[in-house]
Amino acid sequence: DTGVSQDPRHKITKRGQNVTFRCDPISEHNRLYWYRQTLGQGPEFLTYFQNEAQLEKSRLLSDRFSAERPKGSFSTLEIQRTEQGDSAMYLCASSPGGQRNTIYFGEGSWLTVV
Amino acid sequence: AQSVTQPDIHITVSEGASLELRCNYSYGATPYLFWYVQSPGQGLQLLLKYFSGDTLVQGIKGFEAEFKRSQSSFNLRKPSVHWSDAAEYFCAVGPNQAGTALIFGKGTTLSVSS
Repeated sequence: DTGVSQDPRHKITKRGQNVTFRCDPISEHNRLYWYRQTLGQGPEFLTYFQNEAQLEKSRLLSDRFSAERPKGSFSTLEIQRTEQGDSAMYLCASSPGGQRNTIYFGEGSWLTVV
Repeated sequence: AQSVTQPDIHITVSEGASLELRCNYSYGATPYLFWYVQSPGQGLQLLLKYFSGDTLVQGIKGFEAEFKRSQSSFNLRKPSVHWSDAAEYFCAVGPNQAGTALIFGKGTTLSVSS
């Protein structure tokens, strides 16, 4: 399967702990996105990479959140000092870019903060 | 501001009946429009997309959608619903003001009755 891959799929952590999610985009997609989705809501944009450069961050991305994409391949999303409000599904997506840019999503990583 | 509205939170349709899910958008220019489907606990799968040209677009699984600029709508239709179509459906518009990500509606949950 050459789709967007996310790991882990599920994570339960205690409040105050740090968690890290990994995303492997579709091969040769130079754009990578992170979204967050809570129950009953649509996905909300967090951040965007063009190759290794983080070009856009939404206001939802507090200073406890950091994302990286070293070498323009896989990406990590780290949440420090987790809070119960961070419980959500974190979706990674990638796209080839260009004028007619179609975004493809991974299966998501569920985070539960207890 | 750019936004997507899906007026129906939950719809129930009998198996074999036709389906229409509504999507209205607010966007300052010609939008790119997408429909995604999400099964419980899973990521988002692209059903269809509109960039330009023919306003009636065909997608996977027998779905189609029609772009109506005058009504700022992009409604999703299927002539005969199958039980496996039960899922959550998201309409999205893009790109956002930064020219990158998609903006999603809150979704419509489809239930299929036998």
